[in-house]
Amino acid sequence: EPEVTQTPSHQVTQMGQEVILRCVPISNHLYFYWYRQILGQKVEFLVSFYNNEISEKSEIFDDQFSVERPDGSNFTLKIRSTKLEDSAMYFCASSEFKGTGELFFGEGSRLTVL
Amino acid sequence: AQKVTQAQTEISVVEKEDVTLDCVYETRDTTYYLFWYKQPPSGELVFLIRRNSFDEQNEISGRYSWNFQKSTSSFNFTITASQVVDSAVYFCALRHSGNTPLVFGKGTRLSVIA
Repeated sequence: EPEVTQTPSHQVTQMGQEVILRCVPISNHLYFYWYRQILGQKVEFLVSFYNNEISEKSEIFDDQFSVERPDGSNFTLKIRSTKLEDSAMYFCASSEFKGTGELFFGEGSRLTVL
Repeated sequence: AQKVTQAQTEISVVEKEDVTLDCVYETRDTTYYLFWYKQPPSGELVFLIRRNSFDEQNEISGRYSWNFQKSTSSFNFTITASQVVDSAVYFCALRHSGNTPLVFGKGTRLSVIA
């Protein structure tokens, strides 16, 4: 069964460092998303991406964040200068249809900022 | 504005008991989609069900059943004869049509004790 894959599964970084989280969405899906879950809290929307541009972003997704689809398969989330409060599980998701379909989530990338 | 409320933060049941997880949502749209996701201790988000706003039929899948009632804006989830493997955090979520973000509730942590 097709799945969304994410790497790395866990990354530890020092405050102020740049981090790139990678995702390979399901191959025929057109809509891509990043969500964040701070430990023990709810899953929060960061950004959606379609047709090589951001469709929507939340207020969490500030100038420190960026997304890219560099090669037609990977979908990356970059955090330019990490802060302690960026420590969270980051989930990538993709969906086939606009709005109607379920989001298929990857297994998440746990980011720990020290 | 969209909002999903899961009033039960934690529930603990003994194996083989039935348990219902509550979900109440708020939306002004007439077309929307409701979801349940399971997050086991390993951390991934597992899709369980999607319901659109025009389909109020209840659904049963094995030991899982869902009760969608537009009159009370609720989409409750019942696990019959619970098992230890059902222990997880369960999230209810809402999405409008169009490429809009999925909005999650805060989740209900279910512990099934042997």
